[in-house]
Amino acid sequence: DAKTTQPNSMESNEEEPVHLPCNHSTISGTDYIHWYRQLPSQGPEYVIHGLTSNVNNRMASLAIAEDRKSSTLILHRATLRDAAVYYCILRPSSGAQKLVFGQGTRLTINP
Amino acid sequence: DVKVTQSSRYLVKRTGEKVFLECVQDMDHENMFWYRQDPGLGLRLIYFSYDVKMKEKGDIPEGYSVSREKKERFSLILESASTNQTSMYLCASSLGGGGRTEAFFGQGTRLTVV
Repeated sequence: DAKTTQPNSMESNEEEPVHLPCNHSTISGTDYIHWYRQLPSQGPEYVIHGLTSNVNNRMASLAIAEDRKSSTLILHRATLRDAAVYYCILRPSSGAQKLVFGQGTRLTINP
Repeated sequence: DVKVTQSSRYLVKRTGEKVFLECVQDMDHENMFWYRQDPGLGLRLIYFSYDVKMKEKGDIPEGYSVSREKKERFSLILESASTNQTSMYLCASSLGGGGRTEAFFGQGTRLTVV
């Protein structure tokens, strides 16, 4: 399984943008980049995913490098409720469809 | 609203007991997954299933088995519970189509084996 590397922790202030990086230098051409987050005492929840182009949804934006070896999850205006562990995961488009989680980035939001 | 429901939020069992953790999804998803989550070790995949009666081992299948007799239900079985199986257990489901689709998680079952 292709691996991802994320910083262990990050800190930001409320109402400011947050950029969460992820490196995936061994990504294959058919791997999708997924982001999930886990709020305290809850199961993970889906945030966003993409293949090659940048993606936007109501929760966040995903910026994918041209060579696809890295990506950045962007929270445009962080709130206290965005404090969570954020996971960047590679998921093949076919074959074994399992989700393999790394350690993730623990995001702290300061009021 | 999509739903993955785990039968219990908290469970306390004795060493040696046979334990069933149940997970039901209402989205007609092909794939279902069981993870355990421990401090410092993150989420680790125990088993997953890509169709009824089909299963594959994940990274830590030892001491566990699974059953998927119906598409909507995926059961995790601890044949003889041990204290090192005390953990948070999370179930997830997704459509087929691999990376094109997102996964949905249940709220988790915190199992304590005494």
